[in-house]
Amino acid sequence: KQEVTQIPAALSVPEGENLVLNCSFTDSAIYNLQWFRQDPGKGLTSLLLIQSSQREQTSGRLNASLDKSSGRSTLYIAASQPGDSATYLCAVNTGNQFYFGTGTSLTVIP
Amino acid sequence: ETGVTQSPTHLIKTRGQQVTLRCSSQSGHNTVSWYQQALGQGPQFIFQYYREEENGRGNFPPRFSGLQFPNYSSELNVNALELDDSALYLCASSFRGASYNEQFFGPGTRLTVL
Repeated sequence: KQEVTQIPAALSVPEGENLVLNCSFTDSAIYNLQWFRQDPGKGLTSLLLIQSSQREQTSGRLNASLDKSSGRSTLYIAASQPGDSATYLCAVNTGNQFYFGTGTSLTVIP
Repeated sequence: ETGVTQSPTHLIKTRGQQVTLRCSSQSGHNTVSWYQQALGQGPQFIFQYYREEENGRGNFPPRFSGLQFPNYSSELNVNALELDDSALYLCASSFRGASYNEQFFGPGTRLTVL
């Protein structure tokens, strides 16, 4: 059974720092991996989607990488801002099932 | 372009009752997935509908059922509600063609079972 783990569970950084969030999964047979952010009590906002054949995707200050063989993905956030404070979730798509991690709660201190 | 919408926003039910939650998918999308998110947890996949057929199911009992309509909107039905069904229910839509594409989520329905 696929298991998705996100480390750390919580992270607090000063404004302006670059940071890396980690996501690991146990079964490399995935179609894609997607990163989301979630604000308290809200739905999920898609950040980046990486197909299984891709190694990375970039959008603005965000860069996500995927190493399928080792079961790892990272989300890199450059020059963090207080507005980046949220919970970040990764999800893997195995074709007919989706598996989410429990998220990393990020606080960016002004 | 209209995003994914869900109704109602909040719902309070009592144990044993039945509930129907609704989702309108984003324009051009043909696939809808439903998730249950308990407080402090990641979303748990309930099932997915593609072209009006269930196309994958997570570890949820049969009292969780769904429908997808020809316009690709969807319903999630939960029978015999239990206290543990209290959660945020999220719907996501996507376009599935030659590959699996990006999922877009609605704002969710907060269900409280008393």
